[in-house]
Amino acid sequence: DAKTTQPPSMDCAEGRAANLPCNHSTISGNEYVYWYRQIHSQGPQYIIHGLKNNETNEMASLIITEDRKSSTLILPHATLRDTAVYYCIVRVLNDYKLSFGAGTTVTVRA
Amino acid sequence: NAGVMQNPRHLVRRRGQEARLRCSPMKGHSHVYWYRQLPEEGLKFMVYLQKENIIDESGMPKERFSAEFPKEGPSILRIQQVVRGDSAAYFCASSYGRSTEAFFGQGTRLTVV
Repeated sequence: DAKTTQPPSMDCAEGRAANLPCNHSTISGNEYVYWYRQIHSQGPQYIIHGLKNNETNEMASLIITEDRKSSTLILPHATLRDTAVYYCIVRVLNDYKLSFGAGTTVTVRA
Repeated sequence: NAGVMQNPRHLVRRRGQEARLRCSPMKGHSHVYWYRQLPEEGLKFMVYLQKENIIDESGMPKERFSAEFPKEGPSILRIQQVVRGDSAAYFCASSYGRSTEAFFGQGTRLTVV
């Protein structure tokens, strides 16, 4: 039962912003949106999470639509090291499980 | 401020042997999770432990797999009588609280020959 839908792959140019979409049309009021990424052969890395307000940290920005049915992860200045699989996950506030789907394979090209 | 440490990074076992995977959580974290990533597949939750207690093992295969997180020392994922289908990357994550962000280790890649 997939809770999120992401495009399987996308390319972006080095130095440009990368905008990664995620649909979560069945999200409920107590579910947060989390983003993780997995660089080849490494463990998943936490990026950011949010409930309904836009969030920003040193890695990325998270824009959540007003109806919360979709969100966009923005990497402001993509580098080659940002090439990875990016996972969008919805999780209930008190839950501990992360349900990883197939994610989006992002390739940053020089 | 070391992150989650897993060892060994690579482990080769013959069919029928035992595999022991170790995970030391981040300092101050008492919640540990194990995930498995089979080749060309996504990460799947296996088990959640909190010091000396198994909270949720719903993702663990019913036989041959066990996990522990003793009062002292690392968490251990133990696979008895390994088979080729156990070949995978096993990732450990830890968190400060039950629903706070989880931080992952670099994984142990188990190869069964």
